[in-house]
Amino acid sequence: NAGVTQTPKFQVLKTGQSMTLQCAQDMNHNSMYWYRQDPGMGLRLIYYSASEGTTDKGEVPNGYNVSRLNKREFSLRLESAAPSQTSVYFCASRWVAGDSYNEQFFGPGTRLTVL
Amino acid sequence: RKEVEQDPGPFNVPEGATVAFNCTYSNSASQSFFWYRQDCRKEPKLLMSVYSSGNEDGRFTAQLNRASQYISLLIRDSKLSDSATYLCVVYENTGTASKLTFGTGTRLQVTL
Repeated sequence: NAGVTQTPKFQVLKTGQSMTLQCAQDMNHNSMYWYRQDPGMGLRLIYYSASEGTTDKGEVPNGYNVSRLNKREFSLRLESAAPSQTSVYFCASRWVAGDSYNEQFFGPGTRLTVL
Repeated sequence: RKEVEQDPGPFNVPEGATVAFNCTYSNSASQSFFWYRQDCRKEPKLLMSVYSSGNEDGRFTAQLNRASQYISLLIRDSKLSDSATYLCVVYENTGTASKLTFGTGTRLQVTL
């Protein structure tokens, strides 16, 4: 049981390049999330997928696209990377049912630098 | 005003000390509250939930004051291994959507 996995762990891009961050979970969770974490800003939600086949914008979606490929996988794409997208990206998943909170599990993160 | 505010620290304390962190939140409709721990260059992990009655897990005690919209975490007998960033997290479920809001974290450094 690997939990939430992310690839790659590190990436350096030049401005204007594109790339896709991959995320997979093996906990049979219905909801998956992409966050970015910047110094002094906390974790900010980029996009989320409440269930397979649905995606919605979070707090900071500009410059990103996502695909919920199946129940396990949720990818984040940067079409034209900008230096402002230099950050640590975390994927997360949890089981959402009813009003109560079920623990959200995070992947190990991807450290992205855009030059 | 940020939705969840924390003192960023760092809090530098000697081993064995007691240290307390505070967090305030702005949304009175928030329903559930948590402390997450994040080690340097790692992902956040759930430390404990926070209940109105207060709850304890070993050396860790969490308290919630809904009237003041204030959450606290107390760590007794600090260990070197407690050195990390502690994130205050607030959960709201409106029925149509749920939302987790993270504070920026309070950094704790425990020294010999």
